[in-house]
Amino acid sequence: DTGVSQDPRHKITKRGQNVTFRCDPISEHNRLYWYRQTLGQGPEFLTYFQNEAQLEKSRLLSDRFSAERPKGSFSTLEIQRTEQGDSAMYLCASGTSGNTDTQYFGPGTRLTVL
Amino acid sequence: TQLLEQSPQFLSIQEGENLTVYCNSSSVFSSLQWYRQEPGEGPVLLVTVVTGGEVKKLKRLTFQFGDARKDSSLHITAAQTGDTGLYLCAGANNQGGKLIFGQGTELSVKP
Repeated sequence: DTGVSQDPRHKITKRGQNVTFRCDPISEHNRLYWYRQTLGQGPEFLTYFQNEAQLEKSRLLSDRFSAERPKGSFSTLEIQRTEQGDSAMYLCASGTSGNTDTQYFGPGTRLTVL
Repeated sequence: TQLLEQSPQFLSIQEGENLTVYCNSSSVFSSLQWYRQEPGEGPVLLVTVVTGGEVKKLKRLTFQFGDARKDSSLHITAAQTGDTGLYLCAGANNQGGKLIFGQGTELSVKP
């Protein structure tokens, strides 16, 4: 069990650019979650997958955000036309359905939009 | 909308003191998790509680889930400087398992 990994750990971009983040979950976990955390706040749910199916999206996830998990393993989160308000820590977590909903988090990707 | 109110938001104590952090909601959760987070890192799971009234202990940390599964507490005995960090409670609603987080408690333990 190597834990949840995320890449990159830090990303600095200019407003209007597109960015893509990757998450590799714990291998036997069928659920994968994306959260966003701003300074001084708890994480906020963005979306989640069960296997390759995206089952829920938050209203926070505007049409500039898209997430995929094509083979039910790793996932990508893309933000198009970034805005300064997108600056945050993007967290990925994985878990197993029917298992008390315990989730294990990765180290996060810190996005700074200039 | 489900909300979790966590208190206090900030806590600064001396090494050796005891403390309690509270997590309250008007909603029922199927499970509740506590995490600890260091600056620039992801949350690290401390415990999951599932049954109303459940008490779990992790060394000097004691976690309790309310009887009605709407609230929880974290008690730390004889705090150490290594306990410093952001403590987060998070509830799951048994509908896909997305977590609803509290605002966090920033704990500072001074030597």
